[in-house]
Formats: sequence, structure tokens, C-alpha cells
Amino acid sequence: AQKITQTQPGMFVQEKEAVTLDCTYDTSDPSYGLFWYKQPSSGEMIFLIYQGSYDQQNATEGRYSLNFQKARKSANLVISASQLGDSAMYFCAMRKRADKLIFGTGTRLQVFP
Amino acid sequence: NAGVTQTPKFQVLKTGQSMTLQCAQDMNHNSMYWYRQDPGMGLRLIYYSASEGTTDKGEVPNGYNVSRLNKREFSLRLESAAPSQTSVYFCASTHGTGYEQYFGPGTRLTVT
Repeated sequence: AQKITQTQPGMFVQEKEAVTLDCTYDTSDPSYGLFWYKQPSSGEMIFLIYQGSYDQQNATEGRYSLNFQKARKSANLVISASQLGDSAMYFCAMRKRADKLIFGTGTRLQVFP
Repeated sequence: NAGVTQTPKFQVLKTGQSMTLQCAQDMNHNSMYWYRQDPGMGLRLIYYSASEGTTDKGEVPNGYNVSRLNKREFSLRLESAAPSQTSVYFCASTHGTGYEQYFGPGTRLTVT
């Protein structure tokens, strides 16, 4: 069965430091996509970064990068130079057929000064 | 360009009442989705529509119906609300494979 696992319910990081949020996935499909979304306390879902299963290079978007290790089935999000505004819930998701997404349970990140 | 809009933002229902959640997107996307988010959980897919005129069940479809009214609009109906349907409901749309899903602001529904 296809599944997304986020094992860190909560993480703390000091401002300006880097942090890695873990995500592992399980699928037998050769073609899939992995997404990270941010959900601040206001509740909206904000797209951060995408990695396709056939992409050769790790995706990067500004301060966000995705550490994609296909053999390990992991897709960890790395946030560099954390800011106070990065405090939020972070969800890893995997694209299935018909572009449906399955989500992990999320990691709450708190950035402190 | 409003993106994905949802109405209402908040709703309180009594058990057994019915209601329709409305969703519209102005990005000319073919695919639209309804998710629910319960405390401590990620989003779970209720129904989706891969194109105008088609709908299909997701992970948790029981107690819901949907209508893809046209390319822009995708509504979710609760025929007889139950307390277990208390949740935050998100509508989303996407251009297609390889593209992100854009989410609406959500509807917070409480069933008493």
C-alpha cells in the first residue's frame, strides 16, 4: 500500500540554523512525485517544493531543498537559515494516479530566537 | 486571479442537517479535489474530479457526494451530517502531473 511517514511530530530550531524534516514513502509505482507543503497557524496550505521520481537532481526552491534518496525511499526537506516565520506544520505528500495526493501526519516546526 | 475559493469559511450544523460546500478555481485546471483534515492528521482525500463531467471516490467518501458543475466549480455535499464529519475541508486543483495542487483557504465545519 502507498504510504507517507513523518516520524517527527515536533522539531525545534534556532533562528538562522538549518533544519531537516524527515519523510519516508512507500510505493511500488515507478512514476510518482513528492511534495512538501507548509501550513501556518492561519490554516492555509502553501506549496514549497516538488520532486519527481525520475528527476536526477534534488529539487531546490530558495531556502528549501529536498534531499531525495530513492533507494532509501526518503524525501527529506531541508530548510536553511531558519526564520521565525518558518514556524508552522509541514506536510510531506506523494502523488498517486490521477494526481491524487496522500499526506503524512505532519511535523510541527518551531523556530526560536 | 483569486486562485481557489471556498465558501463558507465556517459552518455549524446539527446532526442530520445537510449542506453543500462550494469550491471554485479560476486557473483553468482540469483536476479538482476535496480533502478533509482532522486534528493530528494529514489531509485525506474524499472525492476528486479528473476532468469536467467525471468524479471518483477517494480514501474517505462515505457520507459525502460531489458535483463537478463545470470546469471551474466542484461542490461537496453532506446529506445528513454526523459529528464524525467535524473537520476542516479543503478544496484543491491542479494543472496536472508534475504540478502542485493549489488549495483553497478551507472550511471549518462543526457538527453538534
